[in-house]
Amino acid sequence: QKEVEQNSGPLSVPEGAIASLNCTYSDRGSQSFFWYRQYSGKSPELIMSIYSNGDKEDGRFTAQLNKASQYVSLLIRDSQPSDSATYLCAPSGQAGTALIFGKGTTLSVSS
Amino acid sequence: DVKVTQSSRYLVKRTGEKVFLECVQDMDHENMFWYRQDPGLGLRLIYFSYDVKMKEKGDIPEGYSVSREKKERFSLILESASTNQTSMYLCASSRPGNEGRSPLHFGNGTRLTVT
Repeated sequence: QKEVEQNSGPLSVPEGAIASLNCTYSDRGSQSFFWYRQYSGKSPELIMSIYSNGDKEDGRFTAQLNKASQYVSLLIRDSQPSDSATYLCAPSGQAGTALIFGKGTTLSVSS
Repeated sequence: DVKVTQSSRYLVKRTGEKVFLECVQDMDHENMFWYRQDPGLGLRLIYFSYDVKMKEKGDIPEGYSVSREKKERFSLILESASTNQTSMYLCASSRPGNEGRSPLHFGNGTRLTVT
C-alpha cells in the first residue's frame, strides 16, 4: 500500500512568517510531486509541481524534493491570512497510475 | 483554462436510491478520476479511466461503478446508495504525461447526503 504522510496540523504561523509543510512518501517509484491548496468547502487547486531533486521557487512558494529521503516540502514565505487552507501533497507513481494524496496539513496564518 | 464541471453542487438522496454523479471536462483529457473526501480520511480514489470505455478500480471501489462512453464525460454510479456514502465527491481530469508528470484538474465537487 503506497502511503503519503503529512502532519495534519493545524500549523499556526503569524502573518509575515515562513510556513514549512512537510510530506514523506513510501513509493520509491514516484517521479512527480504536486502540492495542492484547498480552501474550506472548495476543491483542491494546484500550486506547485516538482520533478527533480532540489528546490523550485515560484513567487512566495518554494518546493523542495529529496528523492533519496523520500521527502518533499513546501515553504511559504511572507505568509498571509489568505494562505490559510489545507495543503495536500500528492506524489505520482509510474505513468499510468493515479495520484495518491496525503491527508493534508491545515495552515492557519494569523494577522 | 481547463474546466471540469460536475453536474450538481449539492445532492440529497434516500437510502437505496440509484445515484448518478456526472462529470464533464472540456480539454480533451484522456484521464479522468473520481475521488471522495471525508474529514480525517483525506482524498480517496474510487475509480479512474485512461480512455473511453476503460476503467480501473481505485482504493475504495466497493458500492460504486463508473461509465465512460465519451471521452469528455465520466459518470460515477451508486447502485444502491447507503448512508456511509455521504461525502464530498470530486471529479478530476488530466492529460497522459510522461512519467506521471501531468497534474490533476478538479471540478467543484458534489456534496452528497444520503438519508
